[in-house]
Amino acid sequence: GAGVSQTPSNKVTEKGKYVELRCDPISGHTALYWYRQSLGQGPEFLIYFQGTGAADDSGLPNDRFFAVRPEGSVSTLKIQRTERGDSAVYLCASSLTGSDTQYFGPGTRLTVL
Amino acid sequence: EDKVVQSPLSLVVHEGDTVTLNCSYEVTNFRSLLWYKQEKKAPTFLFMLTSSGIEKKSGRLSSILDKKELFSILNITATQTGDSAVYLCAVRLNFGNEKLTFGTGTRLTIIP
Repeated sequence: GAGVSQTPSNKVTEKGKYVELRCDPISGHTALYWYRQSLGQGPEFLIYFQGTGAADDSGLPNDRFFAVRPEGSVSTLKIQRTERGDSAVYLCASSLTGSDTQYFGPGTRLTVL
Repeated sequence: EDKVVQSPLSLVVHEGDTVTLNCSYEVTNFRSLLWYKQEKKAPTFLFMLTSSGIEKKSGRLSSILDKKELFSILNITATQTGDSAVYLCAVRLNFGNEKLTFGTGTRLTIIP
C-alpha cells in the first residue's frame, strides 16, 4: 500500500485480556515506531525498530507491553493483562533509515472496559 | 528532561483569518523540528525544519525555526474550515535518538 496501515482500527477488550495490534509500514521503510496517544495529549514514544531488532524500547511502560518485527516489515504490539489505563490510540510510524520524517498510520483505538 | 510546549492549547477563528501557532522546546542535542496536522487519528506530515531563519512554505501554510530562542511558528493564512485540526509539533534529537518528542498540540477550529 501507499501508506502505513494498522489493524484493527478499533479494539474493545475486557480488563485482563491479551491484545495484539498490527502495523504494516510503507514498503522499503526499515525504521518502524510505535507511539501511544491519550486523549488531549501528543503521541508518546513506545519502541523503535531498525530492521528486525528493537533498537530502543525505552518507552514501553512495563513488561506487559512487547513488540516484534520478525521479518523486518510488519510489526505487532502485544499487550498482556490489559488494564483500563491502557486505553488510548496506538499509532505506528515508519521512515527511511536516516530520515527524520516519520509517516504515521491511522492508529488503533484501544478501549479496555 | 526534554520538553516541547505548544501554545495556545486551542484557538477558534473565523474563516479567512490568519493564525500563528507556537512551539517552544527545551532539549539537549537538538536535530530537527517537525509539524504535523492531526484531523482524526493519523498525524500527517507538514514540515521539517533544521536551520534557523529559513522559511518552509506549502500553499497557505508556512513555518520557520529560531534555534537561538528555541522556538518555531506555524502560520496559516486565509484559513478554511478544512484547516480545523490538532496541530502537533515534535522534536528529534541527535546521537542515536530516533524517537520524536511531541507537544500536546494546538486544537484549531475554523468557524465558517
